[in-house]
Amino acid sequence: EIVMTQSPATLSVSPGERATLSCRASQSVGSNLAWYQQKPGQAPRLLIYGASTRATGIPARFSGSGSGTDFTLTISSLQSEDFAVYYCQQYNNWPPWTFGQGTKVGIK
Amino acid sequence: EVQVVESGGTLVRPGGSLRLSCSASGFTFSGSTIHWVRQAPGKGLQYVSGISSNGGNTYYADSVKGRFTISRDNSKNTLYLQVTSLRTEDTAVYYCVKERDYDRAFDYWGQGTLVTVSS
Repeated sequence: EIVMTQSPATLSVSPGERATLSCRASQSVGSNLAWYQQKPGQAPRLLIYGASTRATGIPARFSGSGSGTDFTLTISSLQSEDFAVYYCQQYNNWPPWTFGQGTKVGIK
Repeated sequence: EVQVVESGGTLVRPGGSLRLSCSASGFTFSGSTIHWVRQAPGKGLQYVSGISSNGGNTYYADSVKGRFTISRDNSKNTLYLQVTSLRTEDTAVYYCVKERDYDRAFDYWGQGTLVTVSS
């Protein structure tokens, strides 16, 4: 099973600032990496797939990069609606599809 | 518009059983692989189970193998998860999730149904 490790666990950012979230896989997953956003009381929402492709309707301030074992989600200028928990997921080796433990982006 | 709606979650005693359902619309259900992902209270996302479009392939997390059974009825656009021998650690919101058509990321999630295992 591929283990996904996200860092940091918590990130405090001021509105308008840049946020950088990291995700590392225990072995190469190629570009088969997705990012999800989850707000309190809501289901997760797909943000990025294929490591760098934004899903339908996702604003351009969200960008993904990386391949192999190291990946980054960048939010270029945080808006109030972006404060949430973000999860990475690998879908290269399955089952199981595995998720990171999440990074909570909070208001500084 | 894609809609995925789970039902069947309830309070059940340890060792008990129940069946979760997921009703889908707005996409070609019979052409899609569908999964269950769960989230314990205050915790992260955990993969549970999945089933291919025609039901020919099923997938399970080790933690539920032998206790949970996934199935689907494409004539009713409905997915099921039969859960047995429930443990307190199975307490979670269970999400029904559609897999993308072109890769294996998860593009649509239901709102979830809560299963509480407690005596």
